[in-house]
Amino acid sequence: SQQGEEDPQALSIQEGENATMNCSYKTSINNLQWYRQNSGRGLVHLILIRSNEREKHSGRLRVTLDTSKKSSSLLITASRAADTASYFCAALGGSNTGKLIFGQGTTLQVKP
Amino acid sequence: EPEVTQTPSHQVTQMGQEVILRCVPISNHLYFYWYRQILGQKVEFLVSFYNNEISEKSEIFDDQFSVERPDGSNFTLKIRSTKLEDSAMYFCASSSRTRTVYGYTFGSGTRLTVV
Repeated sequence: SQQGEEDPQALSIQEGENATMNCSYKTSINNLQWYRQNSGRGLVHLILIRSNEREKHSGRLRVTLDTSKKSSSLLITASRAADTASYFCAALGGSNTGKLIFGQGTTLQVKP
Repeated sequence: EPEVTQTPSHQVTQMGQEVILRCVPISNHLYFYWYRQILGQKVEFLVSFYNNEISEKSEIFDDQFSVERPDGSNFTLKIRSTKLEDSAMYFCASSSRTRTVYGYTFGSGTRLTVV
């Protein structure tokens, strides 16, 4: 399987609930980034976690990184209908070219 | 907040025609990228560009593709002879350095439709 596998592929929750998305990668990384994409629109950078960090918070977002398991998770707390979007993890490897390897993404639907 | 600007937002072209997708990266960024996303699929790396040359390209980026930074502000992706399978959303991105603390900034994309 390819680098940047995410699960679940689709997630449907009620407003106010928490949403957790997981991402796994294959090779060593420099950092791992999470992006949001509204349907048919551009990619919005949400949060970045470096390989020497284990957890990071930004507002309602919490990201964890487990380099021993080569996995990361994104938690959105107290979800809102406006959080409905696709969420992608992207791994920055050790090369100097800055190439990002994206996951397949999780489509999140938050029902009002 | 600085933005990466892409034009056009949507382009329809006939198979076999050349297209040029344009991007204006953030002014103090030094690293530039093109990615593409076929409808319903994941975002794929095409090419990275630094110091006026390609630093890495993927298998997708064959001889039909080329990039250029003609005037110090624009960054273009040219597809010489488009194929149906080139239909996708193309994203430009820039970063201040490869091992960036702040992540990339992506443009809002150009949707290319080849008919």
